[in-house]
Amino acid sequence: QKEVEQDPGPLSVPEGAIVSLNCTYSNSAFQYFMWYRQYSRKGPELLMYTYSSGNKEDGRFTAQVDKSSKYISLFIRDSQPSDSATYLCAMKGGDYGNNRLAFGKGNQVVVIP
Amino acid sequence: KAGVTQTPRYLIKTRGQQVTLSCSPISGHRSVSWYQQTPGQGLQFLFEYFSETQRNKGNFPGRFSGRQFSNSRSEMNVSTLELGDSALYLCASSRSTSTDTQYFGPGTRLTVL
Repeated sequence: QKEVEQDPGPLSVPEGAIVSLNCTYSNSAFQYFMWYRQYSRKGPELLMYTYSSGNKEDGRFTAQVDKSSKYISLFIRDSQPSDSATYLCAMKGGDYGNNRLAFGKGNQVVVIP
Repeated sequence: KAGVTQTPRYLIKTRGQQVTLSCSPISGHRSVSWYQQTPGQGLQFLFEYFSETQRNKGNFPGRFSGRQFSNSRSEMNVSTLELGDSALYLCASSRSTSTDTQYFGPGTRLTVL
């Protein structure tokens, strides 16, 4: 079992829809949870950074962490064509320590105008 | 504030050759991590350097090595290149501790023929 699971299937939604992405993980020592956005041929860009369980909102983006279920989510409201990208979940802490990030495989999101 | 820069952006090599990639972190950041990104495996951690010392290492063969200089700039080297080393190599920098956010560079796309 991989430490971080993210169903890598592509996701197509119409403009204005809510995009829902999620990851599960097996390492209960993970404490810090992130979502990165990666455009084609670019490096990952940090979108959301959350410590432990709870919700965090930033504009149209909401990140949720449920440590009891080992489940994290990202919601994008009022999706725009410019949101079309690959979204990667990442986490760290515990066995990894320091700055070693464990990533999910990523979801390619396409927002159709 | 300038972001993380990586050079070169694109590289083509042949099997058996060696290659050196460079990363300049954000000013004031002392930690530099390297990741390999492939379609099949996603993002995988290679190693992390902090204050010129390797602090963490991923599960890659010894052909992959790195170093960090006193100005925090880092290089990674891959010797005896194999076809499977074709990937996007990403560098990420952060201030110091595991609680700090990591910011990624644009990556170096290495193609091994």
